[in-house]
Amino acid sequence: ILNVEQSPQSLHVQEGDSTNFTCSFPSSNFYALHWYRWETAKSPEALFVMTLNGDEKKKGRISATLNTKEGYSYLYIKGSQPEDSATYLCASYSGGGADGLTFGKGTHLIIQP
Amino acid sequence: KAGVTQTPRYLIKTRGQQVTLSCSPISGHRSVSWYQQTPGQGLQFLFEYFSETQRNKGNFPGRFSGRQFSNSRSEMNVSTLELGDSALYLCASSLGNLNEQFFGPGTRLTVL
Repeated sequence: ILNVEQSPQSLHVQEGDSTNFTCSFPSSNFYALHWYRWETAKSPEALFVMTLNGDEKKKGRISATLNTKEGYSYLYIKGSQPEDSATYLCASYSGGGADGLTFGKGTHLIIQP
Repeated sequence: KAGVTQTPRYLIKTRGQQVTLSCSPISGHRSVSWYQQTPGQGLQFLFEYFSETQRNKGNFPGRFSGRQFSNSRSEMNVSTLELGDSALYLCASSLGNLNEQFFGPGTRLTVL
């Protein structure tokens, strides 16, 4: 059984500060790691799909890193803005991609003006 | 291009009934996945269809079933509804496992 864990569960950050949070996943049989942002009353929106150990991806002020050997990924947000308030989900494919996408419960981020 | 659409958006059923939810993927996407979200739980994977074949299945009872048509539209069926089936059901389409998933708006199912 694949468990994807995210921490912290929730986070309050002052506007302008930078922040980061963690996704951990079983490293055996790893296939791909996804990050999504889910804003209230909207659908989850993809941020990154990462496959290679050491991968680093960036989209604007948001970036992510991947360590497949130890089974973790970090998501970083630089200079947080109110529009960054959302739940950030990571999800892992394992079993060579044969087991479906398993999501963590998310990190709920609130940016305080 | 048009996004993923799901119908209906809201549904109220009673215990014991069955329900069918529909998902139309983005044009060109052959993979459609279904997820259940309940309070306190993350998104839980139900199943994935690719080119009309079920490719993966999550840990849900046999009351949950699905299918995919030749135009990649997918339906999910839940028979003998239970109170615990009340949830937000999301579908997502993609080009494949290594590609991002595009989510629909979801169907909010309430079982009374």
